[in-house]
Amino acid sequence: DVKVTQSSRYLVKRTGEKVFLECVQDMDHENMFWYRQDPGLGLRLIYFSYDVKMKEKGDIPEGYSVSREKKERFSLILESASTNQTSMYLCASSPAGGRTEAFFGQGTRLTVV
Amino acid sequence: AQKVTQAQTEISVVEKEDVTLDCVYETRDTTYYLFWYKQPPSGELVFLIRRNSFDEQNEISGRYSWNFQKSTSSFNFTITASQVVDSAVYFCALGNYQLIWGAGTKLIIKP
Repeated sequence: DVKVTQSSRYLVKRTGEKVFLECVQDMDHENMFWYRQDPGLGLRLIYFSYDVKMKEKGDIPEGYSVSREKKERFSLILESASTNQTSMYLCASSPAGGRTEAFFGQGTRLTVV
Repeated sequence: AQKVTQAQTEISVVEKEDVTLDCVYETRDTTYYLFWYKQPPSGELVFLIRRNSFDEQNEISGRYSWNFQKSTSSFNFTITASQVVDSAVYFCALGNYQLIWGAGTKLIIKP
């Protein structure tokens, strides 16, 4: 059974903290994505990676960075968490960008207080 | 510019009714892909269907059917004889290099 696993289902962090969201996939996919989901706004792409150590900014990269040191793992980093980053974060992987089915993790609901 | 519009924010029907979720897209690409995903209350997005721009055949899978019309840039999704388990947020997406997502339609099926 193919899987994308996000390290936490729920997180509560304080303003100014550095936050790491981890995502692991077991499908040997080249492409991995981090999305943010807010009510009424759909999914907005934060960053994506098409290969190890390669990354590209998505639509809303400000305040975030990413790391992909190994093919199976894609980390999202909030350098200094702020309350406006309270949201649902979704990780996904796919073999070929937007041309094929993406597989999603269960999501991390992050609350910044 | 590429865009996906799901004009219906929320739809509420009684169980066993048929319901259609609308999706309209904009793209200048000649080759592109269209997707529908379901997000149940548990939160994990589940892939439902993928169509490419050269294949306008409608598709039926059990109670689900999809109507792709390039002439109107639409890719609508119909659930026949809806069930409570169909309650979810449904997303339409347009893909090529990247996926462009609609805002989603929340479907509520009342018993």
